[in-house]
Amino acid sequence: KAGVTQTPRYLIKTRGQQVTLSCSPISGHRSVSWYQQTPGQGLQFLFEYFSETQRNKGNFPGRFSGRQFSNSRSEMNVSTLELGDSALYLCASSSSGTREHEQYFGPGTRLTVT
Amino acid sequence: AQKITQTQPGMFVQEKEAVTLDCTYDTSDPSYGLFWYKQPSSGEMIFLIYQGSYDQQNATEGRYSLNFQKARKSANLVISASQLGDSAMYFCAMRMNTGFQKLVFGTGTRLLVSP
Repeated sequence: KAGVTQTPRYLIKTRGQQVTLSCSPISGHRSVSWYQQTPGQGLQFLFEYFSETQRNKGNFPGRFSGRQFSNSRSEMNVSTLELGDSALYLCASSSSGTREHEQYFGPGTRLTVT
Repeated sequence: AQKITQTQPGMFVQEKEAVTLDCTYDTSDPSYGLFWYKQPSSGEMIFLIYQGSYDQQNATEGRYSLNFQKARKSANLVISASQLGDSAMYFCAMRMNTGFQKLVFGTGTRLLVSP
């Protein structure tokens, strides 16, 4: 079974630009969560999507948004990039089965804003 | 609000020895889950072990065991027989059993295993 995939793996953008990151969950998983990891703030929850609906959101500005498609693939978008948005962005997928507590993470997208 | 505290920024252990990574948590909810993840330098978070708040026995997964002391609100990870490949960052995390998947992470402990 293929794991969680994230594209692109690395990205360099300039302040003020926008960026879209993609996450494909494990086949059959309907929940996708996004996290931001920075040296200063650690790992922080961004949002969770389940069956194309955002059902939980972290404390991030409105510049951070996301969506989920009918095949459970998810995208997150960051508009008007700031230097502080430089981070590793991780997505995680989980199922609704007997081991629903397990969240499987992708390799992450490392975003650098210059 | 939920909070995870990992007080050990770094730990050193020799190969084949056991090591305990500390984790304490704070929540007023009675139903929650506790997790440990390993993050190698590549960045991917690898799920290691899970403990539910109502589980009577401590969780074990191969060389990993979770020392769950509910009254003390601690969930320490024990790695037996350390291997060089265990060198990584280790994160303790908590999730409320609300149906949502949001994880709250600690700041992590960097483990270095020496030959």
